[in-house]
Amino acid sequence: EAGVAQSPRYKIIEKRQSVAFWCNPISGHATLYWYQQILGQGPKLLIQFQNNGVVDDSQLPKDRFSAERLKGVDSTLKIQPAKLEDSAVYLCASSLPGRAKKDQFFGPGTRLTVL
Amino acid sequence: GENVEQHPSTLSVQEGDSAVIKCTYSDSASNYFPWYKQELGKRPQLIIDIRSNVGEKKDQRIAVTLNKTAKHFSLHITETQPEDSAVYFCAASSYSSASKIIFGSGTRLSIRP
Repeated sequence: EAGVAQSPRYKIIEKRQSVAFWCNPISGHATLYWYQQILGQGPKLLIQFQNNGVVDDSQLPKDRFSAERLKGVDSTLKIQPAKLEDSAVYLCASSLPGRAKKDQFFGPGTRLTVL
Repeated sequence: GENVEQHPSTLSVQEGDSAVIKCTYSDSASNYFPWYKQELGKRPQLIIDIRSNVGEKKDQRIAVTLNKTAKHFSLHITETQPEDSAVYFCAASSYSSASKIIFGSGTRLSIRP
């Protein structure tokens, strides 16, 4: 089966610019997650969707980060404006809803460098 | 909220020896504990998980133990091989669908030939 798709794989921008990342989850996976992984650290959950609804966005810096999953399938994560500390790998993951948390599959990630 | 601490941050073992990575968690409601392996430049991949109704789980050379009273769990890799070199992350979560998975800070495991 196809895995979680993300694009772009790499992005370099200057601070104060805007950037958007795209994720297409595994078909049938109603739950979608966006994580931020700073170099040398574990992934930190930014936002979790169940279909097109937000389940948890408590760690999303809402003054500059936004995410949507309008049709309950693919999702976009946007940063506007970017700061130097936003340099990280942004991982998208998806899973079946309910008790199948073990089936959380990660995408390849987008490596963002903010100069 | 949940907080997961992981030790050590780096670990170097001789090929063939065992490696142990330890994690503690703070939220007594957590009942699902996955472990992920992340090779350089690649995505995290689930290697084993344990739920709170069991104390130990094994899968070939990998085992995980859980002590709910002490709120700690450990990953054990026996007969280590070069391909075991990677960063390992523990995590904790409640089993309900709405609960987020909180990751530890990671352990960089190096296997010496």
